[in-house]
Amino acid sequence: DVKVTQSSRYLVKRTGEKVFLECVQDMDHENMFWYRQDPGLGLRLIYFSYDVKMKEKGDIPEGYSVSREKKERFSLILESASTNQTSMYLCASSLRRVQETQYFGPGTRLLVL
Amino acid sequence: GENVEQHPSTLSVQEGDSAVIKCTYSDSASNYFPWYKQELGKGPQLIIDIRSNVGEKKDQRIAVTLNKTAKHFSLHITETQPEDSAVYFCAASRGSGGYQKVTFGTGTKLQVIP
Repeated sequence: DVKVTQSSRYLVKRTGEKVFLECVQDMDHENMFWYRQDPGLGLRLIYFSYDVKMKEKGDIPEGYSVSREKKERFSLILESASTNQTSMYLCASSLRRVQETQYFGPGTRLLVL
Repeated sequence: GENVEQHPSTLSVQEGDSAVIKCTYSDSASNYFPWYKQELGKGPQLIIDIRSNVGEKKDQRIAVTLNKTAKHFSLHITETQPEDSAVYFCAASRGSGGYQKVTFGTGTKLQVIP
């Protein structure tokens, strides 16, 4: 079974802190994604990566950056956390082929005070 | 870009009844339509998908229909059970090189009342 793990289930940070969210997948998937999930807004894509050291902006990249130094690991970085970044963050991975299932991690619920 | 609308946002049904969730999409180039189920405390998981060359697909108690002309697709769950209670997301996707650009709907919270 594909396994996508996220470093934390819950995080509480203060405004202005730098926040790192880590995601690891164990199925050698080329594609990795970071989504943000908010009530009434569904899943919105922040960034994705289709290869090591490659990244592409999604629909809502402002205030975020990412890093992919190894194929299995994709990090989301909040350079200076703000209260409007309080949300559920979901990581996903998939094979590079089009129309391929995305496998999601359990999510990290981030609260920025 | 693609826009996916999903209705209803919440749905309550009695155990054993059917549930229907509807989605519309805007991009006629979209050619793949997955449905994900998200149980409490978990990430979304694919439950069924349909491609644009197919009008209907069934898997036991769940089925998905696609009307390309009208640009809408629906999820049907028959004989609902309490374990069907979850949030369901539709999505529309089109290939772009090696990456599938997926746009998700806003989700439907389904409650099955025993």
